[in-house]
Amino acid sequence: GENVEQHPSTLSVQEGDSAVIKCTYSDSASNYFPWYKQELGKRPQLIIDIRSNVGEKKDQRIAVTLNKTAKHFSLHITETQPEDSAVYFCAASINFGNEKLTFGTGTRLTIIP
Amino acid sequence: GAVVSQHPSRVICKSGTSVKIECRSLDFQATTMFWYRQFPKKSLMLMATSNEGSKATYEQGVEKDKFLINHASLTLSTLTVTSAHPEDSSFYICSARPGTSGRDTQYFGPGTRLTVL
Repeated sequence: GENVEQHPSTLSVQEGDSAVIKCTYSDSASNYFPWYKQELGKRPQLIIDIRSNVGEKKDQRIAVTLNKTAKHFSLHITETQPEDSAVYFCAASINFGNEKLTFGTGTRLTIIP
Repeated sequence: GAVVSQHPSRVICKSGTSVKIECRSLDFQATTMFWYRQFPKKSLMLMATSNEGSKATYEQGVEKDKFLINHASLTLSTLTVTSAHPEDSSFYICSARPGTSGRDTQYFGPGTRLTVL
Protein backbone atom coordinates (compact mmCIF):
# COMPACT_ATOMS: atom_id res chain seq x y z
CA GLY A 1 0.00 0.00 0.00
CA GLU A 2 0.84 3.66 -0.12
CA ASN A 3 3.32 5.11 2.36
CA VAL A 4 3.64 8.86 2.84
CA GLU A 5 6.54 10.38 4.73
CA GLN A 6 6.54 13.99 5.86
CA HIS A 7 9.36 16.26 7.05
CA PRO A 8 10.06 18.09 9.22
CA SER A 9 7.90 17.05 12.16
CA THR A 10 8.25 20.50 13.70
CA LEU A 11 9.12 23.81 12.11
CA SER A 12 9.54 27.25 13.63
CA VAL A 13 9.66 30.23 11.32
CA GLN A 14 9.98 33.95 11.95
CA GLU A 15 6.88 35.89 10.98
CA GLY A 16 7.18 37.10 7.42
CA ASP A 17 9.58 34.36 6.39
CA SER A 18 8.71 31.35 4.23
CA ALA A 19 7.97 27.82 5.38
CA VAL A 20 8.46 24.66 3.35
CA ILE A 21 7.13 21.22 4.22
CA LYS A 22 8.07 18.18 2.18
CA CYS A 23 6.41 14.82 1.57
CA THR A 24 7.37 11.71 -0.33
CA TYR A 25 5.10 8.92 -1.46
CA SER A 26 5.74 5.36 -2.51
CA ASP A 27 2.93 4.40 -4.88
CA SER A 28 3.56 5.67 -8.40
CA ALA A 29 -0.17 5.26 -9.08
CA SER A 30 -1.01 8.10 -6.68
CA ASN A 31 -2.29 11.08 -8.61
CA TYR A 32 -4.01 13.36 -6.09
CA PHE A 33 -2.19 15.20 -3.31
CA PRO A 34 -4.08 17.43 -0.87
CA TRP A 35 -2.70 19.43 2.02
CA TYR A 36 -4.69 19.91 5.21
CA LYS A 37 -4.28 22.37 8.07
CA GLN A 38 -5.46 21.30 11.50
CA GLU A 39 -5.69 23.59 14.50
CA LEU A 40 -5.74 22.10 17.96
CA GLY A 41 -8.89 20.09 18.60
CA LYS A 42 -10.44 21.03 15.28
CA ARG A 43 -11.11 19.38 11.98
CA PRO A 44 -8.54 19.20 9.19
CA GLN A 45 -9.21 21.90 6.62
CA LEU A 46 -8.15 21.55 3.00
CA ILE A 47 -5.84 24.41 2.07
CA ILE A 48 -4.62 23.35 -1.36
CA ASP A 49 -4.49 20.25 -3.54
CA ILE A 50 -2.80 19.19 -6.74
CA ARG A 51 -3.36 16.54 -9.36
CA SER A 52 -0.53 14.69 -11.01
CA ASN A 53 -1.07 16.33 -14.38
CA VAL A 54 0.39 19.62 -13.14
CA GLY A 55 3.68 20.42 -11.49
CA GLU A 56 2.73 23.45 -9.46
CA LYS A 57 -0.33 25.18 -8.09
CA LYS A 58 -0.56 28.46 -6.24
CA ASP A 59 -3.23 30.14 -4.17
CA GLN A 60 -2.18 33.51 -2.75
CA ARG A 61 0.53 32.81 -0.14
CA ILE A 62 0.31 29.05 -0.51
CA ALA A 63 1.80 26.91 -3.25
CA VAL A 64 2.34 23.22 -3.83
CA THR A 65 4.91 21.66 -6.12
CA LEU A 66 4.92 18.09 -7.36
CA ASN A 67 7.76 16.03 -8.79
CA LYS A 68 6.26 12.81 -10.12
CA THR A 69 9.59 11.33 -11.13
CA ALA A 70 11.02 11.68 -7.65
CA LYS A 71 7.64 11.02 -6.01
CA HIS A 72 7.71 14.01 -3.77
CA PHE A 73 5.62 17.11 -3.26
CA SER A 74 6.05 20.19 -1.14
CA LEU A 75 3.98 22.89 0.51
CA HIS A 76 5.30 26.44 0.42
CA ILE A 77 3.89 29.21 2.59
CA THR A 78 5.25 32.69 1.97
CA GLU A 79 4.98 35.81 4.14
CA THR A 80 3.98 33.69 7.11
CA GLN A 81 1.61 35.09 9.72
CA PRO A 82 0.86 34.00 13.30
CA GLU A 83 -2.45 32.47 12.18
CA ASP A 84 -0.50 30.05 9.99
CA SER A 85 0.58 28.27 13.18
CA ALA A 86 -1.04 24.80 13.10
CA VAL A 87 -0.34 21.20 12.19
CA TYR A 88 -0.14 20.53 8.48
CA PHE A 89 -0.76 17.12 6.91
CA CYS A 90 0.02 16.02 3.40
CA ALA A 91 -1.85 13.12 1.84
CA ALA A 92 -1.88 11.01 -1.29
CA SER A 93 -4.55 9.08 -3.12
CA ILE A 94 -4.99 7.14 -6.31
CA ASN A 95 -7.87 7.62 -8.72
CA PHE A 96 -7.93 11.37 -8.16
CA GLY A 97 -9.19 11.13 -4.61
CA ASN A 98 -11.92 8.59 -5.27
CA GLU A 99 -10.00 6.17 -3.12
CA LYS A 100 -8.79 6.54 0.43
CA LEU A 101 -6.27 9.15 1.49
CA THR A 102 -3.00 8.11 3.06
CA PHE A 103 -1.75 10.82 5.37
CA GLY A 104 1.72 11.93 6.27
CA THR A 105 2.72 12.17 9.91
CA GLY A 106 2.16 15.90 10.18
CA THR A 107 4.27 19.01 10.68
CA ARG A 108 3.72 21.33 13.60
CA LEU A 109 4.39 24.81 12.27
CA THR A 110 4.99 27.64 14.72
CA ILE A 111 5.23 31.21 13.50
CA ILE A 112 7.33 33.35 15.81
CA PRO A 113 6.04 36.94 16.03
CA GLY B 1 -20.77 24.55 0.75
CA ALA B 2 -19.43 21.06 1.52
CA VAL B 3 -20.17 21.01 5.24
CA VAL B 4 -19.83 17.84 7.27
CA SER B 5 -21.18 17.57 10.80
CA GLN B 6 -20.54 15.04 13.51
CA HIS B 7 -22.51 14.25 16.62
CA PRO B 8 -21.75 14.14 19.44
CA SER B 9 -18.68 16.32 19.65
CA ARG B 10 -17.67 14.81 22.95
CA VAL B 11 -18.77 11.71 24.83
CA ILE B 12 -17.72 10.10 28.07
CA CYS B 13 -18.89 6.58 28.74
CA LYS B 14 -18.28 3.68 31.07
CA SER B 15 -16.26 0.69 30.02
CA GLY B 16 -18.43 -1.96 28.37
CA THR B 17 -21.02 0.36 26.91
CA SER B 18 -21.55 1.13 23.23
CA VAL B 19 -21.30 4.55 21.67
CA LYS B 20 -22.74 5.70 18.36
CA ILE B 21 -21.21 8.57 16.40
CA GLU B 22 -23.05 10.17 13.50
CA CYS B 23 -21.49 11.78 10.46
CA ARG B 24 -23.67 13.87 8.16
CA SER B 25 -23.00 15.70 4.93
CA LEU B 26 -25.24 18.75 5.21
CA ASP B 27 -25.27 20.20 1.72
CA PHE B 28 -24.14 17.44 -0.59
CA GLN B 29 -24.64 13.76 -1.17
CA ALA B 30 -21.76 11.53 -0.22
CA THR B 31 -21.59 8.09 -1.74
CA THR B 32 -18.40 7.50 0.21
CA MET B 33 -17.52 8.46 3.74
CA PHE B 34 -14.36 7.66 5.64
CA TRP B 35 -13.77 7.10 9.34
CA TYR B 36 -10.45 8.05 10.92
CA ARG B 37 -8.96 7.80 14.35
CA GLN B 38 -6.45 10.31 15.63
CA PHE B 39 -4.33 9.97 18.73
CA PRO B 40 -2.93 13.10 20.43
CA LYS B 41 -0.29 14.78 18.32
CA LYS B 42 -0.48 12.01 15.75
CA SER B 43 -1.66 11.65 12.20
CA LEU B 44 -5.05 10.49 10.99
CA MET B 45 -5.32 6.73 10.68
CA LEU B 46 -8.00 5.46 8.34
CA MET B 47 -10.24 2.90 10.01
CA ALA B 48 -12.72 2.14 7.27
CA THR B 49 -14.32 3.30 4.08
CA SER B 50 -18.09 3.51 4.20
CA ASN B 51 -20.09 3.13 1.00
CA GLU B 52 -23.78 3.93 0.86
CA GLY B 53 -25.86 0.80 0.62
CA SER B 54 -23.02 -1.66 0.99
CA LYS B 55 -20.69 -3.05 3.60
CA ALA B 56 -17.83 -0.96 4.83
CA THR B 57 -14.26 -1.77 3.90
CA TYR B 58 -12.06 -1.98 6.96
CA GLU B 59 -8.35 -1.31 7.11
CA GLN B 60 -6.02 -4.03 8.26
CA GLY B 61 -6.03 -4.40 12.01
CA VAL B 62 -9.39 -2.73 12.57
CA GLU B 63 -11.97 -5.03 14.15
CA LYS B 64 -15.16 -4.81 12.14
CA ASP B 65 -17.22 -6.36 14.94
CA LYS B 66 -16.02 -3.74 17.37
CA PHE B 67 -16.35 -0.72 15.10
CA LEU B 68 -19.69 -1.11 13.36
CA ILE B 69 -20.28 1.17 10.40
CA ASN B 70 -23.61 1.81 8.76
CA HIS B 71 -24.01 4.08 5.73
CA ALA B 72 -27.77 4.05 5.42
CA SER B 73 -28.23 7.10 3.23
CA LEU B 74 -26.27 9.43 0.99
CA THR B 75 -25.95 11.94 3.82
CA LEU B 76 -25.46 9.81 6.92
CA SER B 77 -22.91 7.32 8.15
CA THR B 78 -22.66 6.04 11.70
CA LEU B 79 -19.82 4.49 13.64
CA THR B 80 -20.70 2.42 16.69
CA VAL B 81 -17.95 1.54 19.11
CA THR B 82 -19.23 -1.61 20.79
CA SER B 83 -18.23 -2.67 24.28
CA ALA B 84 -15.91 0.30 24.59
CA HIS B 85 -12.75 0.05 26.66
CA PRO B 86 -10.32 2.74 27.83
CA GLU B 87 -7.96 1.96 24.95
CA ASP B 88 -10.74 3.01 22.57
CA SER B 89 -10.50 6.55 23.90
CA SER B 90 -9.51 8.73 20.99
CA PHE B 91 -10.54 11.46 18.58
CA TYR B 92 -12.72 10.01 15.83
CA ILE B 93 -13.13 12.03 12.64
CA CYS B 94 -15.23 11.30 9.60
CA SER B 95 -14.88 12.71 6.13
CA ALA B 96 -17.17 12.72 3.13
CA ARG B 97 -16.46 13.02 -0.54
CA PRO B 98 -19.02 14.62 -2.82
CA GLY B 99 -20.24 12.21 -5.44
CA THR B 100 -20.09 14.83 -8.19
CA SER B 101 -17.62 13.97 -10.89
CA GLY B 102 -14.47 16.02 -10.68
CA ARG B 103 -14.71 16.74 -6.98
CA ASP B 104 -11.71 15.04 -5.51
CA THR B 105 -11.69 16.53 -2.08
CA GLN B 106 -12.68 14.94 1.16
CA TYR B 107 -14.32 17.26 3.66
CA PHE B 108 -13.88 16.51 7.32
CA GLY B 109 -16.29 16.60 10.21
CA PRO B 110 -15.34 18.39 13.44
CA GLY B 111 -14.50 15.14 15.20
CA THR B 112 -15.80 13.33 18.26
CA ARG B 113 -13.67 12.97 21.34
CA LEU B 114 -14.46 9.68 23.04
CA THR B 115 -13.34 9.06 26.59
CA VAL B 116 -13.97 5.61 28.05
CA LEU B 117 -13.68 5.40 31.81
